[in-house]
Amino acid sequence: DAGVTQSPTHLIKTRGQQVTLRCSPKSGHDTVSWYQQALGQGPQFIFQYYEEEERQRGNFPDRFSGHQFPNYSSELNVNALLLGDSALYLCASSVGTGGYSSGNTIYFGEGSWLTVV
Amino acid sequence: AQTVTQSQPEMSVQEAETVTLSCTYDTSESNYYLFWYKQPPSRQMILVIRQEAYKQQNATENRFSVNFQKAAKSFSLKISDSQLGDTAMYFCAFMKHESNTGNQFYFGTGTSLTVIP
Repeated sequence: DAGVTQSPTHLIKTRGQQVTLRCSPKSGHDTVSWYQQALGQGPQFIFQYYEEEERQRGNFPDRFSGHQFPNYSSELNVNALLLGDSALYLCASSVGTGGYSSGNTIYFGEGSWLTVV
Repeated sequence: AQTVTQSQPEMSVQEAETVTLSCTYDTSESNYYLFWYKQPPSRQMILVIRQEAYKQQNATENRFSVNFQKAAKSFSLKISDSQLGDTAMYFCAFMKHESNTGNQFYFGTGTSLTVIP
């Protein structure tokens, strides 16, 4: 059973460019959340997708957008890249958007390293 | 707003010894969950232990246990019989309990733990 998979693993972009990161949730999971983890910091919540809609959003500008497909996989898009967008982007999957319970463990992928130069 | 504070950026412990990682949080919520996640060099977030705020009994998972002080808003992690594989970054995290707010994590800034042979 594959866990959460993310691609690409590493990428380098130039300021002003656009980037798309991809996430496939764990089998049986229908909810995908994205987090940004800057160097030396804890992950920060970007947004959450469920039933192909953005359900929750953290304090991130509109340059950050996403999409969820019918197969529950998700994309994170960042436009007009800034140097400060350099970070590890983590995807987490779960079942539904309900509160955490012992039966709804959240799984993380290994992340996509984005470097903006 | 929820905040999570980890005041120990780095810690070290001798193999087989015991170490305690500190975490404090601030919230106006009465029901919530607290977590400790481990992030090894592979960067994948791995759940170590979780605690439901309504439970007075401290959670334990093999060598890992917590000291949950709800009134003091403190949630420390004790690792007994430390092993070399415990070397990693450890994050304390908070999640609201309400089912309609999804399952967004609020993470601390992490504590880098090194187990010395």
